[in-house]
Amino acid sequence: AQSVTQLGSHVSVSEGALVLLRCNYSSSVPPYLFWYVQYPNQGLQLLLKYTSAATLVKGINGFEAEFKKSETSFHLTKPSAHMSDAAEYFCAVSVTGGFKTIFGAGTRLFVKA
Amino acid sequence: DAGVTQSPTHLIKTRGQQVTLRCSPISGHKSVSWYQQVLGQGPQFIFQYYEKEERGRGNFPDRFSARQFPNYSSELNVNALLLGDSALYLCASSLGGGTSTDTQYFGPGTRLTVL
Repeated sequence: AQSVTQLGSHVSVSEGALVLLRCNYSSSVPPYLFWYVQYPNQGLQLLLKYTSAATLVKGINGFEAEFKKSETSFHLTKPSAHMSDAAEYFCAVSVTGGFKTIFGAGTRLFVKA
Repeated sequence: DAGVTQSPTHLIKTRGQQVTLRCSPISGHKSVSWYQQVLGQGPQFIFQYYEKEERGRGNFPDRFSARQFPNYSSELNVNALLLGDSALYLCASSLGGGTSTDTQYFGPGTRLTVL
């Protein structure tokens, strides 16, 4: 069975500071990993996905994530936070042949001026 | 191009009632998935349909059912509503056979409140 753990339900950073959102996964088979962003009263938007190619994945809006198998992690980073990055972020996992995506509980990012 | 659309946007029901939520996928997309997102939690997988057939089901009771129509739109039905069914219901569509790497595009959701 697959699972996702997001460390920290809330993260607060200053504008211009590094953003680091943590995600650890559990999977008995090679996983596919995703980060989604959700703005208030909206659906989810895909930021980036890992599908067993390059371990460093670049996404939209300057975000990137690195797949580390030894640490079973897929942390999301952005060098410089912008006020518009304030939102809820979800890490998710699925597996080959599966039709089910499992989401973490989410991390709410606050950006201070 | 229109994205995934869902209707209605908001819905208020009372316990024991039945509800039908609707989803129209992006044009050309043949796969639709449904998720339940309770306030403060991540989305939980309910169903996936591809080419009108159920391809996956999450851990939800039989009160939850869905179907996909020939035009690939989909309906989610919930019978005998409970207070705990109050949530944001998200629909996502994807292009292909619903394989794991298909990018899912989410609609804005339907907010269901059960009183």
